[in-house]
Amino acid sequence: GDSVTQMEGPVTLSEEAFLTINCTYTATGYPSLFWYVQYPGEGLQLLLKATKADDKGSNKGFEATYRKETTSFHLEKGSVQVSDSAVYFCALSEWGDMRFGAGTRLTVKP
Amino acid sequence: GAGVSQSPSNKVTEKGKDVELRCDPISGHTALYWYRQSLGQGLEFLIYFQGNSAPDKSGLPSDRFSAERTGGSVSTLTIQRTQQEDSAVYLCASSSQGALNEKLFFGSGTQLSVL
Repeated sequence: GDSVTQMEGPVTLSEEAFLTINCTYTATGYPSLFWYVQYPGEGLQLLLKATKADDKGSNKGFEATYRKETTSFHLEKGSVQVSDSAVYFCALSEWGDMRFGAGTRLTVKP
Repeated sequence: GAGVSQSPSNKVTEKGKDVELRCDPISGHTALYWYRQSLGQGLEFLIYFQGNSAPDKSGLPSDRFSAERTGGSVSTLTIQRTQQEDSAVYLCASSSQGALNEKLFFGSGTQLSVL
């Protein structure tokens, strides 16, 4: 069935460092792809999405490009801040359901 | 309310007891999802309701788990004969059409502790 695999954490970076969190997916067709974020003490919320190949989702300085040839949707940010510390989940939806990866905990130190 | 509401927020139960967890989705949302988040684990898909269609139960871990959605709105997740490994945060989410192009709105979850 459809699934998502994302890099294991935790990831610890210094402020202003470059961030990449890898995500690859397995699907039978053409899913929509998402990144969700869970800040400490808060519920999950959508960070960005892409619905077809070569689309780029972006929000709050984060970007991810839907790469069908590599079945990937890696999350990137050029300069992280302490406030970006959270757990990040990659997800896909092909038939209306939503399947999540295991989550990657990011800690950004000042 | 404006968001997805889950109750109770915390539930402590003894091994072997049954529990019911409730989810009130956003009004008008046709799709409803249940997930389980265990300590150090990701989000485990449990079940998905979309309108009047038969639910996708493929994620339910055993026959002790069941869920229903009455009148296309409120949903109840029932766990029978709870085990310690059932301890987790149970999250409910809803969306207006299903997740294909729409985002999910999550509740705050029910923290279940099985002693």
